This record gives sequence, C-alpha cells and structure tokens, in this order.
Amino acid sequence: DQQVKQNSPSLSVQEGRISILNCDYTNSMFDYFLWYKKYPAEGPTFLISISSIKDKNEDGRFTVFLNKSAKHLSLHIVPSQPGDSAVYFCAARLTGNQFYFGTGTSLTVIP
Amino acid sequence: NAGVTQTPKFRVLKTGQSMTLLCAQDMNHEYMYWYRQDPGMGLRLIHYSVGEGTTAKGEVPDGYNVSRLKKQNFLLGLESAAPSQTSVYFCASSNSGLAAHEQYFGPGTRLTVT
Repeated sequence: DQQVKQNSPSLSVQEGRISILNCDYTNSMFDYFLWYKKYPAEGPTFLISISSIKDKNEDGRFTVFLNKSAKHLSLHIVPSQPGDSAVYFCAARLTGNQFYFGTGTSLTVIP
Repeated sequence: NAGVTQTPKFRVLKTGQSMTLLCAQDMNHEYMYWYRQDPGMGLRLIHYSVGEGTTAKGEVPDGYNVSRLKKQNFLLGLESAAPSQTSVYFCASSNSGLAAHEQYFGPGTRLTVT
C-alpha cells in the first residue's frame, strides 16, 4: 500500500503565479519529508526538506509546509518560472534511511 | 566532480539472463541506495547500504542482490531477469549524520527485459 501519495498527476500554472504541490502520507513514524525535482532522462534532484518536528521550511522561492495532524505536506513555489516545469516527487524517510516516494506531479509553468 | 554515475545507461536482456548494474559515487558518502521507477509507481527502494560491507532490503528486494565491497561502489545484480524487472533504475547516495536525508541521484539505467 502506498505510504506516500501525490493525488494530482499534473498541474499547470501561469508564470509569476504560485504553484502548490500536495502530498499525503500514512505512516506517523516518518521523521523527514523531502521534495525532489526531476527532468526527463535525468535523476531526481533534491530540492527542499523538512523535519517532522517543524511545520515550515523556506529556501528562496520554495517553501514546504507540514501539517502532522492531517498527515499532509505541500510545496509552494513563488513566483513560478518556466524553468520550474518538471516532475516533483514527495518523499518521506523512516529512521534507518528507508525512503518512500510518491508517484510525482508534473508541473507545467506557462510563460 | 562527477557525483553519482551509473553504468550502463541502457540495456536489453532476454528473460533468464543475468546482469550487474554499477553505481559509483565520488562524494565519500556513507549511504547508497538502489531504486526502480515504473510508470505510475514513483520510485521504490530495492536495497540500500549504510556503509562499506553492509546491505539491507528495501521495499521491493525480491529478484535482486547487491554488494558494497568498496565505499564508493554499489552493485545491483539480477541473477535471472524477468519482464517484470523492466524499469528505470536509479542509484543514489547520501552522507551520514544530519544530511543523511539528502540523496544525490545518478542519471538512471533503462533496462528492458524481453
């Protein structure tokens, strides 16, 4: 059973607007949550992370929010740029470094 | 600085054949991982290693074996390939300690089993 879920396979956003990507999880033992960005024919690239003891982490245009009670996290990209067009994977870590990934959301930023 | 490299980039196997995928990292990372990515499934952890000489099973280990004889290399073996192992395989590495959750991925190996 999928422990990390991304229910939106795709998202389109106008350049300059906010992109919000969502992720849900089921295992309350996850201690870190991460977002990766992936371009076609390349490996995923680490984007941003958040510890389970925090509720927000910001890095430039990227902010991740964690709602532990709802077992939900989201990635906000503001402002969105055409170069942000990629597949975004949400991931979660169990202690011992076992990682579980969502199925990805394909973001298209329209110029 | 090459980061994480994977060999080969593409491979076609017949059912029952064997092969080894090689992953190498030059960042002196303690941890290394093998994932497979299938359409609609995201990345799933096959095996991982927390240090030279150690290996552990991930979420989908059946049909695969791994070895970590040197810190910089992590090998993934398929002893008898099956069509269900057609996938894109990614290797990753990460440091230990506080940055252990940040994985660096290789470019992937596309394997087709006919």
